[in-house]
Amino acid sequence: KAGVTQTPRYLIKTRGQQVTLSCSPISGHRSVSWYQQTPGQGLQFLFEYFSETQRNKGNFPGRFSGRQFSNSRSEMNVSTLELGDSALYLCASSLVEGQEQFFGPGTRLTVL
Amino acid sequence: AQSVAQPEDQVNVAEGNPLTVKCTYSVSGNPYLFWYVQYPNRGLQFLLKYITGDNLVKGSYGFEAEFNKSQTSFHLKKPSALVSDSALYFCAVPHTGRRALTFGSGTRLQVQP
Repeated sequence: KAGVTQTPRYLIKTRGQQVTLSCSPISGHRSVSWYQQTPGQGLQFLFEYFSETQRNKGNFPGRFSGRQFSNSRSEMNVSTLELGDSALYLCASSLVEGQEQFFGPGTRLTVL
Repeated sequence: AQSVAQPEDQVNVAEGNPLTVKCTYSVSGNPYLFWYVQYPNRGLQFLLKYITGDNLVKGSYGFEAEFNKSQTSFHLKKPSALVSDSALYFCAVPHTGRRALTFGSGTRLQVQP
């Protein structure tokens, strides 16, 4: 069974631009979560989707948004990029609530 | 709120020696607890989980974790460390009402040859 895939793996953008990241969960998993990882803040929860509905959102500004499609694939968008948005963005999928999540390799976003 | 804490930023151990990476938890009800490992420029890999039952949980790559309810701890252990175990380790707990996880701050394990 294929794992969680994320595209692109690396991105370089400039301040003020916007970016869209994509995540395909493990087949059969309908839950997708997004995290931001930075050296200073560690792993922070962004949002969680289940069956195309956003179930929860972390403490991030409205510039961060996401969606999930009927095939469970998910995208997240960051508008008006800031230098502080430079991070590794991780996507994870799970089958059952409360059980382990499986992570993709991440997208490394650098904002110049 | 459910939370976990990792008191050590870094743990150093010599190859062949036993290793322990510490995690304490604060949860309501019966805890579900997880350990993940992250190698450089990679996503997180699931190592093991505690749901209920035996206090000693065995996982991938020879790792195990000991659940201690009285000390609210879930320490990760391995009897004999390998240089290839050098990585960043995270303890995690499911957040109430969601499938996403709340992670500890991470512990960098350095195994010296």
